[in-house]
Amino acid sequence: GQNIDQPTEMTATEGAIVQINCTYQTSGFNGLFWYQQHAGEAPTFLSYNVLDGLEEKGRFSSFLSRSKGYSYLLLKELQMKDSASYLCASMDSNYQLIWGAGTKLIIKP
Amino acid sequence: IAGITQAPTSQILAAGRRMTLRCTQDMRHNAMYWYRQDLGLGLRLIHYSNTAGTTGKGEVPDGYSVSRANTDDFPLTLASAVPSQTSVYFCASSEYAGSNTEAFFGQGTRLTVV
Repeated sequence: GQNIDQPTEMTATEGAIVQINCTYQTSGFNGLFWYQQHAGEAPTFLSYNVLDGLEEKGRFSSFLSRSKGYSYLLLKELQMKDSASYLCASMDSNYQLIWGAGTKLIIKP
Repeated sequence: IAGITQAPTSQILAAGRRMTLRCTQDMRHNAMYWYRQDLGLGLRLIHYSNTAGTTGKGEVPDGYSVSRANTDDFPLTLASAVPSQTSVYFCASSEYAGSNTEAFFGQGTRLTVV
């Protein structure tokens, strides 16, 4: 079957660094996506990885290990506005996204 | 402003009634999608369309139908609503159906079936 696992909730302090992990198992693989979703709003795209390694984009970085079926999203210099849910999604062989339930990130001052 | 628009924003619907959720995009994207989002679950694909004139079934298609008469519009119809269809529905689009394509989401429709 297809499955995406990520922690339900994480708490971090403003200014700190947090790593949100995601493991995936899908029928075929065409890339790993991370989206951000603020409460009551639509998901918005953060990153895409298809090759092993780290992709850096400002304060956010995303890592992929295809052999381990593992990805993480790294958020640096946390700001209060980073409080949101972070959705991990794997694209399967049919180019459909299989989504995790999301990780709710709570930032404390 | 370019983007993807859903209507209505929210709706309370009596069980057994028919309802169409509207979705329009002005980005000339080929692919469009309907998802439902329920607490504790990931987004689940209901139906999709890779290009105008074609549609396909996603993970949870039962009780829903779609049409794609043109590039811009992708309505989702509940033929006879049931309480288990209470959810937040998101429409999304991407330039094409393939890897490395960012999906853009509408603001969602919060549907309650009573």
